[in-house]
Formats: sequence, C-alpha cells, structure tokens
Amino acid sequence: GAVVSQHPSRVICKSGTSVKIECRSLDFQATTMFWYRQFPKQSLMLMATSNEGSKATYEQGVEKDKFLINHASLTLSTLTVTSAHPEDSSFYICSASVFGATNEKLFFGSGTQLSVL
Amino acid sequence: AQSVTQPDIHITVSEGASLELRCNYSYGATPYLFWYVQSPGQGLQLLLKYFSGDTLVQGIKGFEAEFKRSQSSFNLRKPSVHWSDAAEYFCAVGATPRTGGGNKLTFGTGTQLKVEL
Repeated sequence: GAVVSQHPSRVICKSGTSVKIECRSLDFQATTMFWYRQFPKQSLMLMATSNEGSKATYEQGVEKDKFLINHASLTLSTLTVTSAHPEDSSFYICSASVFGATNEKLFFGSGTQLSVL
Repeated sequence: AQSVTQPDIHITVSEGASLELRCNYSYGATPYLFWYVQSPGQGLQLLLKYFSGDTLVQGIKGFEAEFKRSQSSFNLRKPSVHWSDAAEYFCAVGATPRTGGGNKLTFGTGTQLKVEL
C-alpha cells in the first residue's frame, strides 16, 4: 500500500526556536496534504489543508504565521512551527490524499511528537 | 457542521471476547465514515470505511462496522479480540469523495481499548 513518511518522529527544542516537520508520499503523488495536531487524550484536530503549488488553507483558530506550511511538490509538504513555545508541544500528524479511480484515499504519516522546553 | 461522538473513552475486554466500539455522527449530507486505529507513537491506520452500498462493512484485522442512518451510528465490532488489538480507535466523518477540496475529516475523541489476557 501507499506509504507516507513523516520526519522526525520526535523532536525536542528550546522555546523560541523553529522546528520543521516533513511529510513525504513515497510511492505516489499526493493531490492534497493535511496537517493535524493531537493533544494527549484528545482527538486529531485539522490544522490546515495544503495543495501543491498554492497557499495552504488554515482552519479557524490556527495561526498561519506560526505554523508555516510549504507544499513545493506533489510528494513533499513541510510544517514549520516558528518561535515554538511550550504550548505548541503536541503530536503532529500529516496525511496525504490521492484520488483513485472511484474515490479518494487518505494515508497518514506516523506522526511527530514535538516537545518544547 | 459535522461532528463525531465516541461515548466511551476507555474500554477493557478479555482476550477472545467480543468488542463493540460506539460512534455517533452528525452530518448534513450523506456521510463518508471511517474507523482508524492508532498504536502508541504511530500514525493512523485505516480499518474500514463506509461510503455507500451495503451498510455492513468489512475491514482489516477481522473488524466490521455497521452504518445505521436512523441512529446516526457507525459502531465498530470484532467477534473475538486479540491482545494485539489493544490501541486507540478513532471514528471519523468526512465529506463524500471527489469533492475537489480533499477529504477533510472530523475525528472523534477516540476510545482506548485495553485487552486483558
């Protein structure tokens, strides 16, 4: 099956620094990529939708200047958490969407645990 | 707006026993329903999905789910649970596929399954 690679799986950073998370579709071209964050014991919350070559669409309440999304190619999207603070500590997951013959399929990365000290 | 409710935060079953995880959804149109499983530190793996047709859907790992429109439910079942099924399970609802905007999913808060040996 299709594979989405997300890197790094875990990152610890100091407050005020920026962190970049990569999401790659390894064996298919993703029409759209989605970024979610998940707080402990809570559900995944959609942060933004990104389409290759265009600006990401952010969900209400998500700061686009803080969570920079770049989708430069059909196989790579990146999420940069700028000037990270402890409240940004969370589990971030990406998913990649591809349209098949009859429907759309979503494939998820394994997630990135971000800890901001 | 679409929403998903998973009433049970934690469920404990004995290995070999049957399992049912509840999911109720709210959606204005025909829903596109999913069940995902998440193991610790892992991304989400799709167990099954319902789009249309037969309301009883078979998935991977011996799971099945039944769509009941009258009850707005999509409960996940397994006749005999294995210890390796211990994980967190998420129900999700999305727009019908091929909408052109990607399949933005709304997730429930998850049900943590513990399997007693």
